[in-house]
Amino acid sequence: DTGVSQNPRHKITKRGQNVTFRCDPISEHNRLYWYRQTLGQGPEFLTYFQNEAQLEKSRLLSDRFSAERPKGSFSTLEIQRTEQGDSAMYLCASSARHLATGANVLTFGAGSRLTVL
Amino acid sequence: AQRVTQPEKLLSVFKGAPVELKCNYSYSGSPELFWYVQYSRQRLQLLLRHISRESIKGFTADLNKGETSFHLKKPFAQEEDSAMYYCALCDFGNEKLTFGTGTRLTIIP
Repeated sequence: DTGVSQNPRHKITKRGQNVTFRCDPISEHNRLYWYRQTLGQGPEFLTYFQNEAQLEKSRLLSDRFSAERPKGSFSTLEIQRTEQGDSAMYLCASSARHLATGANVLTFGAGSRLTVL
Repeated sequence: AQRVTQPEKLLSVFKGAPVELKCNYSYSGSPELFWYVQYSRQRLQLLLRHISRESIKGFTADLNKGETSFHLKKPFAQEEDSAMYYCALCDFGNEKLTFGTGTRLTIIP
């Protein structure tokens, strides 16, 4: 499978626990994005990387959230001291600007669904 | 700040009838606009982008800068068009993609 891979697909945890999600992007893509999606909403931007550099973080990303992309390949999103409001689908996407058209087309993973009890 | 508005959460259309999914945006620069689609139990995927002026699965979308709109249209709806549709805007400056809240399209047989 050469698409974007996310693990785990589902995570159920108790409030106060830490969770970590992993994203493996398409290998030739230099950009990697994290989004959060709750019921009835569109994907909300959390953060994105160009290679290993984290270029932007949404104010949705509180200090309990941290994302890394240490070697510019896979990325992890960690949520510390989870709260019930963190329950959502966490989507990862990767992209590279199309050489001919210049378009920035994101390819999404299947997502990691978090349920905080 | 960039914003994308999709005024209809739900839209039901009879098979064979025309479809129009509305999208309006707010952005100070030159936007790059997209339509993404999510079929049942599948990943979010690109449907089309304004930069390519293409028709995908019979769908087209024209960027109207005067009305700040990027409505998605198809002349004759098919049952397989039932899905969740998201309009999205990319900021050229920082590459961030902002999504609307989505419209669930249901095609009635």
